[in-house]
Amino acid sequence: GAVVSQHPSRVICKSGTSVKIECRSLDFQATTMFWYRQFPKQSLMLMATSNEGSKATYEQGVEKDKFLINHASLTLSTLTVTSAHPEDSSFYICSANGGGAGEYFGPGTRLTVT
Amino acid sequence: AQSVTQPDIHITVSEGASLELRCNYSYGATPYLFWYVQSPGQGLQLLLKYFSGDTLVQGIKGFEAEFKRSQSSFNLRKPSVHWSDAAEYFCAVKNYGGSQGNLIFGKGTKLSVKP
Repeated sequence: GAVVSQHPSRVICKSGTSVKIECRSLDFQATTMFWYRQFPKQSLMLMATSNEGSKATYEQGVEKDKFLINHASLTLSTLTVTSAHPEDSSFYICSANGGGAGEYFGPGTRLTVT
Repeated sequence: AQSVTQPDIHITVSEGASLELRCNYSYGATPYLFWYVQSPGQGLQLLLKYFSGDTLVQGIKGFEAEFKRSQSSFNLRKPSVHWSDAAEYFCAVKNYGGSQGNLIFGKGTKLSVKP
């Protein structure tokens, strides 16, 4: 089946720094990828829709200048958390549409901001 | 707007007992429905999905789910639970509203398995 990878799987950074998370579709092309955030013991909430070759679409309440999304190719989307703060600590998961209505999730990235 | 409700936050069953996790959705047309499982600190694994056709869907790890339009439900079942099934389970529906087909998740049901 379709595989989506994320890198890194875990990252610790200091407050005020920026962190980049990569999401790759390994064996298929994805014009659309989604970024979700999951706080501890909570469900996944959609942050933004990443569109190849165009600007991302952000959900209400998500700061586009803080969470920069770049979808430069059909197999790669990146999420950069800029000027990270401890409240940005979360589990970030990406997904990609593998055709039809199927959606494949990456393994997630655990971000801890100290 | 579409939504998913998982009424049970936490369920505990004995190993070998049967399991049913409830999921109700809100959507006017035929929904695309999914069940995912998440172990602590891990990503999501797709158990099964329903798009159309046979309303009883078979998935991996011995799970099945039944789509019941009249009840707006898509409950997940397993006849005999194993200790390794302890995890968080999420029901989701495909969003055909604003964003381009993302998934809308329920709040999840945590499954604990007693020896």
